[in-house]
Amino acid sequence: QQQVKQSPQSLIVQKGGISIINCAYENTAFDYFPWYQQFPGKGPALLIAIRPDVSEKKEGRFTISFNKSAKQFSLHIMDSQPGDSATYFCAASMVTSYDKVIFGPGTSLSVIP
Amino acid sequence: DSGVTQTPKHLITATGQRVTLRCSPRSGDLSVYWYQQSLDQGLQFLIQYYNGEERAKGNILERFSAQQFPDLHSELNLSSLELGDSALYFCASSVGPSGDYEQYFGPGTRLTVT
Repeated sequence: QQQVKQSPQSLIVQKGGISIINCAYENTAFDYFPWYQQFPGKGPALLIAIRPDVSEKKEGRFTISFNKSAKQFSLHIMDSQPGDSATYFCAASMVTSYDKVIFGPGTSLSVIP
Repeated sequence: DSGVTQTPKHLITATGQRVTLRCSPRSGDLSVYWYQQSLDQGLQFLIQYYNGEERAKGNILERFSAQQFPDLHSELNLSSLELGDSALYFCASSVGPSGDYEQYFGPGTRLTVT
């Protein structure tokens, strides 16, 4: 079965540090790679997304790096803050065939003061 | 607040029963998505409707069905419930039909099957 692998499962980072979460996919037909942030008791919220025609996308403190040949993509959170403590999910999908969307298992991030 | 509402927030029912979860999308959004989130299976896409029509079908069991009504609200029907159906069920909405439109998630319905 196709899957999206995500690591680490949990991450503890000091305030001001860089948080890095990695994902890997298998299906080369995937063309849309979003990251979601989920706080306890809340639904996921789209954080940032990337298409495979670019290698990097930055929005504020959040950056996605994309390596098409390796079928890997990662989320970098710069200057991590306690308010960033949440679970992060990567996903891979086909824009025109959303039925194929697969989510990573999630990474629990804790940013400590 | 995403603007997506889901009712009820919590639901406790017995095995074999049938329940209906309701979702109201954000104003102006035509797409509704349903997801299941469980500890062992993670977040899984179930089904998408766009402007009343089924658009994409994911890992939805035959015991589950959904529909989107003319006022664009959606209902997810779960029948012959099993213990393994206990999970958080999220609804999300977006303005367009394809998966690259930003989806806004509701707060979820926590279903417990006893």
